[in-house]
Formats: sequence, structure tokens, C-alpha cells
Amino acid sequence: GAVVSQHPSRVICKSGTSVKIECRSLDFQATTMFWYRQFPKQSLMLMATSNEGSKATYEQGVEKDKFLINHASLTLSTLTVTSAHPEDSSFYICSASLSRETFTDQPQHFGDGTRLSIL
Amino acid sequence: KQEVTQIPAALSVPEGENLVLNCSFTDSAIYNLQWFRQDPGKGLTSLLLIQSSQREQTSGRLNASLDKSSGRSTLYIAASQPGDSATYLCAVPLSGNTPLVFGKGTRLSVIA
Repeated sequence: GAVVSQHPSRVICKSGTSVKIECRSLDFQATTMFWYRQFPKQSLMLMATSNEGSKATYEQGVEKDKFLINHASLTLSTLTVTSAHPEDSSFYICSASLSRETFTDQPQHFGDGTRLSIL
Repeated sequence: KQEVTQIPAALSVPEGENLVLNCSFTDSAIYNLQWFRQDPGKGLTSLLLIQSSQREQTSGRLNASLDKSSGRSTLYIAASQPGDSATYLCAVPLSGNTPLVFGKGTRLSVIA
């Protein structure tokens, strides 16, 4: 089945550091990838939609200059948390969609997530 | 705006029991509904996807039903095992097939 790989799985770094997270679709081309954030005991919240070859679409309240998204190829999207602060500590997870088409029988495929801890 | 609610928030059962997890959504114009499992600190594992035209889907000991008109879905787990302990999330797409709006999940503990 379709597999999405996310790297790294865990990051611990100092405040002010920029952190890059990669999301790869391993056996399919993903024209669209999604980035979610999950705080402890909360649900996953959509941060942004990443479309290959175009600018990402950010959800309300998500700073585009803080969370830089690049979807340079059909198999890779990256999320860079710039100048991270402790309040950015969270679980970040990506998902990929097989196609732009509205195939209702296709499940979302998720990466294993990245736990980011800013000291 | 689509909202997804899951009840109960947490559930503890002895091994071997059958159990039902509930999910409700406010906008019935959904394309599909997906149930996921999330282990602590881990990503999501897709369990079942029900298309809007379907009423249920089965996979092993899992059975998911969908009543689109009433905005409800249930996940039935038969003969629960300690390995079933995890958080179960249901989610529906905002439009088309993606992105997804998630419920807060039901945290299941199966006691041996």
C-alpha cells in the first residue's frame, strides 16, 4: 500500500533554532500534501495544504513566515519551523493525497509524525 | 463549518469485551469517513474508510458503520485485546477527499 515517510521522528533543540521536517511519498506521486499539528491530548489540526509547484495554503492563525512549506517535487514536501520557540513544541504530522481528483475511495496516508521539543 | 465529536473520550474495558466507539459530524455532506488508530507518540494508522454511499465496512474484528443522514458513525471492536489499546480517531474530509477534520479521539484501554 501507499506509504508516507516523515523525517526526523524527533527533534530536541534550543529556542531560536530553525527545524526542517521532510515528508516523502515513497511509492506514489502526491500532488497534494497536508501538514497537521497535534498538541497533547488534542486532535490533529490542519496547518496548511502543500501543492506541488505552487504556494502553500495556510489555515487561519498559522503564520506562513513562521512555518515555511516547500513542495518542490511530487514526492517531497518540507516544513521548516523558523526560529522555533517553546510554544512551537508539538507533534507535527504530514499526509499525502494520491491525486488532485476527488476520489472518494482513497484513504489519507499519514507519516509517523515528528515530535518537536524546543528548550 | 464541519465539526467532529467523539464519545466517549476515554474507555477502559476488560479483555474479550465487545465495544463501540461513537463519532458524530455536523455537516452530513461528506464524501467519506475514515477511522484511524494512533498509538502514544506515534503517527496514524488507517483502519477503515467508508464512502458516503456505503453503510458499513469490515476489517477483521473491526466494523465501522455510517449513517450519513444523522451524522453518525460507529466503530465496533469485537473480542477486544490488550493490543487494541490506543487512541481511535475518526475524520471526514473538508471537501472532496482531503484534507481531514478530526475528532479528539477515544482513548481505549483494554485490560488483560
